[in-house]
Amino acid sequence: SQQGEEDPQALSIQEGENATMNCSYKTSINNLQWYRQNSGRGLVHLILIRSNEREKHSGRLRVTLDTSKKSSSLLITASRAADTASYFCATDRVGDKLIFGTGTRLQVFP
Amino acid sequence: DAGITQSPRHKVTETGTPVTLRCHQTENHRYMYWYRQDPGHGLRLIHYSYGVKDTDKGEVSDGYSVSRSKTEDFLLTLESATSSQTSVYFCATNDGTEPRGYTFGSGTRLTVV
Repeated sequence: SQQGEEDPQALSIQEGENATMNCSYKTSINNLQWYRQNSGRGLVHLILIRSNEREKHSGRLRVTLDTSKKSSSLLITASRAADTASYFCATDRVGDKLIFGTGTRLQVFP
Repeated sequence: DAGITQSPRHKVTETGTPVTLRCHQTENHRYMYWYRQDPGHGLRLIHYSYGVKDTDKGEVSDGYSVSRSKTEDFLLTLESATSSQTSVYFCATNDGTEPRGYTFGSGTRLTVV
């Protein structure tokens, strides 16, 4: 069964706007990760946030984690057409394997 | 995708035939994983390996077997392919030394007719 569920399933925005994707999960985790997948390609790791962290930044990416609500959000600021891709959250439970959500498809229009 | 090569990239096979997909890594990572990706399901773990000849089942392992005789290679075999195994298969690796992201291959698109 899926551990993570992303919301929304699809998101369309204009270049320059911010994109926010949310992820909810079911059980306690060790860390949460976000990945990007361009059409027809493999997944690329974007950022990892540990369970004892609340916020993390990497370039135009900002990830938050709320373990009390079992949720995370990925914010991409000043979106570009090249950010068009599917984004997946994945949870790493202690002593377990990475479990992926169903993904958010982001379309950024020039 | 540098360091992980999946072969073949595309394959069409008939129902009932055995199929083997190969994942080759040059990362010297200890852990290797096979996932399948289907619309509406995201990625689901089939099997994984935590070392040479050490493998275990994931959440959707029925109908699949794996082997790892060398650190570099992780093979996924469909014993008798069925149409429900039509999917895109991804290999991933992780060195396991600390929490960090997985490295993924480019995938194998398998169609069972």
